[in-house]
This record gives sequence, C-alpha cells and structure tokens, in this order.
Amino acid sequence: EIVLTQSPATLSLSPGERATLSCRAGQSVTNYLAWYQQKPGQPPRLLIYDASSRATGIPARFSGSGSGTDFTLTISSLEPEDFAVYYCQHRGSFGGGTKVEIK
Amino acid sequence: DVQLEESGGDLVQPGGSLRLSCVASGFTFSRYWMTWVRQAPGKGLERVAAMNQGGGEMFYADSMKGRFTISRDNAKNSLFLHMSSLGAEDTAVYFCTRVYGSYGVMDVWGQGTTVTVSS
Repeated sequence: EIVLTQSPATLSLSPGERATLSCRAGQSVTNYLAWYQQKPGQPPRLLIYDASSRATGIPARFSGSGSGTDFTLTISSLEPEDFAVYYCQHRGSFGGGTKVEIK
Repeated sequence: DVQLEESGGDLVQPGGSLRLSCVASGFTFSRYWMTWVRQAPGKGLERVAAMNQGGGEMFYADSMKGRFTISRDNAKNSLFLHMSSLGAEDTAVYFCTRVYGSYGVMDVWGQGTTVTVSS
C-alpha cells in the first residue's frame, strides 16, 4: 500500500482564515486522491475526489489540487462548521489526518 | 435516500469472534464494491477489507488476513465482516462504506458499529 503523509498534524486558525492542508504520497498516485472531513461522533464525509472534484453538496470554499505525489486541500474561508479532522485517501491507504482547530 | 446501516458490534472477550452486518438501501447494491473501515478510539482511519460486486475479489489489510472474512449477499443488499481471534487492538468503530470509481473512493458511509475487545 502507498503511504500517505499529511501535514501539519494540527492547524490552529480563526474563522474566516484560509486553511491549507497537505498530503504527500510515497509514490505517484496520478490524480487518484480523495479527501474526507470527519467531525466528532460522525462518520467521515467525502469532500473531494480525483484530487480536485468536489463531491455532491460540498461548498465551493473547499478545493483540492495537486497530482503525482503532492496534494493540497484548501478551505478558502473557514466557517465554524469546518473545524474538524481531514483525511486524504488512495485505495486502501489513508493519511494520518490533519485536525483543524479553532485558534 | 442512499443509506448504509451497520449492526453487530458488541463487547467480546479476547480470542473471541463476532460478525458485523451492513444493510444497504436506496441504491443498487450489487453494482458497487464495498468496504469495511475501522477507527480505533482517538485514532485515524484504517481500511479493513474490500469486496467487489460479485464477491469474487477481495482485499484485506495485512493485520487482518486470516482472521477477518468479508462477504456479501446481493439478494439481501447486505455486507458482512466475520472477525475471529480478536484482540484489544481490534477495538474500534467499524464503518461500512460504498466505493465509487476505480481507486476506492468511499462516497457513502454508515454511522458505524462499535466493537470492544476486553475481558
């Protein structure tokens, strides 16, 4: 399985700020990367697939970019409901997660 | 509505066995790969097993090989996970997921069922 490394582990930001989350793959996954959001006590929710395509119902403030081994999830302006843990995924591998917390 | 509902989680003693179930509704179950993903308390996500539409192809995480068996009954829109030789490290919430696309994107998740392994 490909190893996915997410950074930073924790991101402390205020509402309205821009969040930039990174996911690095141990080898090229072309654009086959997905991002999920998970809030406490809830299952993960698919945000982004194919590196940059938003899933159904996902707000435009969420965007994904990258290809090969380096990927980014950007939240353009944090809303209160965006404070959560974010995971990247390719096939059977998940990254370790980035927690976006309120500063 | 597209839904997945897991059941079967319980408190089980070390070395014991358990079978989890997942019932799908709102979509044609037989057209999709399905997976089980688990999350230990306070930890990240780990794919446990995956199965193709017809049940003839499956994948397991290395630590589960030989102990866990994934299966499905398309006539009953159901996915199963039989777990044996359970240890404390298997304590987790187990999610059933639907797979979309060619590289395992999980577009629908159940709420999860909790397995606790303890004496």
